[in-house]
Amino acid sequence: KQEVTQIPAALSVPEGENLVLNCSFTDSAIYNLQWFRQDPGKGLTSLLLIQSSQREQTSGRLNASLDKSSGRSTLYIAASQPGDSATYLCAVKFNAGKSTFGDGTTLTVKP
Amino acid sequence: NAGVTQTPKFQVLKTGQSMTLQCAQDMNHEYMSWYRQDPGMGLRLIHYSVGAGITDQGEVPNGYNVSRSTTEDFPLRLLSAAPSQTSVYFCASSYSGGPGGELFFGEGSRLTVL
Repeated sequence: KQEVTQIPAALSVPEGENLVLNCSFTDSAIYNLQWFRQDPGKGLTSLLLIQSSQREQTSGRLNASLDKSSGRSTLYIAASQPGDSATYLCAVKFNAGKSTFGDGTTLTVKP
Repeated sequence: NAGVTQTPKFQVLKTGQSMTLQCAQDMNHEYMSWYRQDPGMGLRLIHYSVGAGITDQGEVPNGYNVSRSTTEDFPLRLLSAAPSQTSVYFCASSYSGGPGGELFFGEGSRLTVL
């Protein structure tokens, strides 16, 4: 079964810290991996998309990496801010075409 | 630029009632899908479609029906609502079910079954 796991489920850090969120998946045959942000009671906002052939993508203070061989992706957030507080979800599109989500990591950045 | 549009945004049903959640996209995307999200959890795939006339089951299809008569629309039908179907439902689309397809999401439909 193709599964996606995000650990930890929750993370609390002081403002200004650099942090890493983890996403692991069970099958290296993937098309792409996408990171989303979700605020409470809201929809999903796409942050970064990494294609299978890519190793990383960057957008502002965010950097996502992909290591297919080890079945891992990380989302690096630099100089965290209280406005970064949200749940971060990763979705893996396996070669069957369906995207499978992890349960998310809820991030709290304290002022 | 409407993107993915879901209606209604909120709905309350009684057990046994039926209803349809609507999803429309204006990006000419081949791939469309429905997910449900329960509190504290990620999204679980209900049904998906790789093109008009083609649908398939996801991880949690029981109690739901779908059809895809046009490229733009992908409605989700609840035939006989149950309290276990209380959830937030998200519709998503992408250019392709294959490589390169970035997922775009609607804003969600919050369903309560009493």
